[in-house]
Amino acid sequence: KQEVTQIPAALSVPEGENLVLNCSFTDSAIYNLQWFRQDPGKGLTSLLLIQSSQREQTSGRLNASLDKSSGRSTLYIAASQPGDSATYLCAVHYGQNFVFGPGTRLSVLP
Amino acid sequence: NAGVTQTPKFQVLKTGQSMTLQCAQDMNHNSMYWYRQDPGMGLRLIYYSASEGTTDKGEVPNGYNVSRLNKREFSLRLESAAPSQTSVYFCASSFQTGRSSNEQFFGPGTRLTVL
Repeated sequence: KQEVTQIPAALSVPEGENLVLNCSFTDSAIYNLQWFRQDPGKGLTSLLLIQSSQREQTSGRLNASLDKSSGRSTLYIAASQPGDSATYLCAVHYGQNFVFGPGTRLSVLP
Repeated sequence: NAGVTQTPKFQVLKTGQSMTLQCAQDMNHNSMYWYRQDPGMGLRLIYYSASEGTTDKGEVPNGYNVSRLNKREFSLRLESAAPSQTSVYFCASSFQTGRSSNEQFFGPGTRLTVL
């Protein structure tokens, strides 16, 4: 069964810290992997999309890496800010299905 | 551009009632999706439409029907609502699916409660 897990489930850091969120998937035959953020009571906002042939993608303070062979992706957030507080979800695209992880709830304290 | 819009934002139904959730996108995307999000279960794909005129089942299609009305609109229908369908429903779209699939963009969601 295709499963996606995310560690940690929750994370609290002081403002200014660099941090890493982890996403693991059981089936390495992926099409692509996408990172989202979700604010409470809101929809999902796309952050980064990594195609299966890529190793990493960068957008501003965000950097996402992909290692298909080990079934892992990481989202690196540099110089965290209180506005980064949200739940971060990774989603793996497998052909006819999209499998989401349970999310990491991030709190950045001022 | 409005992106992906969904109506209604909130809905309360009684068991056995029917309703249709509406979704529209103005990004000229070919593919559209319906998900449900439940605490502890994450987001799960209900149905998707790879292109206008086609629909396919996702992970949890039972109890739902969909219609791809045109390229812009993709609706989700509950024929006889059950309490187990209490959830937050999200519509999403992407330019295409398959091996060269693009980013998915999500709507704001519909919060449905079935009593």
